[in-house]
Amino acid sequence: NAGVMQNPRHLVRRRGQEARLRCSPMKGHSHVYWYRQLPEEGLKFMVYLQKENIIDESGMPKERFSAEFPKEGPSILRIQQVVRGDSAAYFCASSPGRNNEQFFGPGTRLTVL
Amino acid sequence: AQSVTQLGSHVSVSEGALVLLRCNYSSSVPPYLFWYVQYPNQGLQLLLKYTSAATLVKGINGFEAEFKKSETSFHLTKPSAHMSDAAEYFCAVSGLGAQKLVFGQGTRLTINP
Repeated sequence: NAGVMQNPRHLVRRRGQEARLRCSPMKGHSHVYWYRQLPEEGLKFMVYLQKENIIDESGMPKERFSAEFPKEGPSILRIQQVVRGDSAAYFCASSPGRNNEQFFGPGTRLTVL
Repeated sequence: AQSVTQLGSHVSVSEGALVLLRCNYSSSVPPYLFWYVQYPNQGLQLLLKYTSAATLVKGINGFEAEFKKSETSFHLTKPSAHMSDAAEYFCAVSGLGAQKLVFGQGTRLTINP
């Protein structure tokens, strides 16, 4: 059973471009979480999704950031018009249901030039 | 609201010595508590979790943690450090019905030969 997969592992964008980060949860997991880790800091919750639904987006910046988890395919975290402050590691986690352990992917390290 | 404080951003111990990483939490609901380990450029791996069962929790790699409600603490210990324990350790809290994990700032553990 493959673990949580994220791609790309490394992403470089110039200011103003768009970044798309993908997360494929573990088989049988229908709950996905996105976290951001800024340099030298802990992880901060961004958004919690189930298939086709955003359950909790209390940690998402109000502008430029969006997330989806379609019925088919991976979850996508989209950052429009990236700025240098968006440079961070973005981790996805999945779980089979509520109140279950979250399994983390290896992360996508975004660098904005 | 929930929060986690990890005392000591850097901890250094000798190989074979006791490892003690401190974590204090704040939670308005009965907490679930977790310790994760992160090796360089990797995702997070769950070491152990407390979910209101036994207060002394044993995890992988010889680690254990004790939930002390009166002290709002969940410190991580290992009797004898190994070089392979060198990593970043994160304490996290969530609550029943609250899916997101709230992480501490992390403690970087260094093992001296």
